[in-house]
Amino acid sequence: DQQVKQNSPSLSVQEGRISILNCDYTNSMFDYFLWYKKYPAEGPTFLISISSIKDKNEDGRFTVFLNKSAKHLSLHIVPSQPGDSAVYFCAAIQNQGGKLIFGQGTELSVKP
Amino acid sequence: GAGVSQSPSNKVTEKGKDVELRCDPISGHTALYWYRQSLGQGLEFLIYFQGNSAPDKSGLPSDRFSAERTGGSVSTLTIQRTQQEDSAVYLCASSSTLAGGVYEQYFGPGTRLTVT
Repeated sequence: DQQVKQNSPSLSVQEGRISILNCDYTNSMFDYFLWYKKYPAEGPTFLISISSIKDKNEDGRFTVFLNKSAKHLSLHIVPSQPGDSAVYFCAAIQNQGGKLIFGQGTELSVKP
Repeated sequence: GAGVSQSPSNKVTEKGKDVELRCDPISGHTALYWYRQSLGQGLEFLIYFQGNSAPDKSGLPSDRFSAERTGGSVSTLTIQRTQQEDSAVYLCASSSTLAGGVYEQYFGPGTRLTVT
């Protein structure tokens, strides 16, 4: 049973445009959500997070939106840069400090 | 400061052999996690250590898998009688438990295990 789903395995965007990565979840008990970025042969790197009591969190070019009623979150990257090309994982957590439940990942390619 | 380190970075073993994978968490982090990523798959939780509490082993796929954490720091993941389906990248992460907020997990570079 996949509790966190990223239905788009890949996304291609032109440099300077917006990248929107989507994530859906099924467990209403999740209280925190995180986005990780992963380059080949490296471990995932924490990018941005959002508490379930908020609907938006912004950090520079990265903004995460949470729609609890739809059990949906998205990561917006504006403007996209070629260095953003990586696999992006959405993750959810039920208890602070507990295990992360990851989506399958979306491979973002930003074309110059 | 130093991040999470893992060794070896690559391990090739024959089916049926035992392997040990090592993780050195960030100094001061009390929580330590093991995940794995099989080819074309997302990251799968294996086991979680938090301080002196009993570990959460709910993600271990079989009794061939075990892990320990000595002295609240270094952790070793052991896979006995390896099978080809154990081939994956094994990732370790650690997090702080300072008061307040949710504790982002910081990942090591992983150990790529190949069972032939």
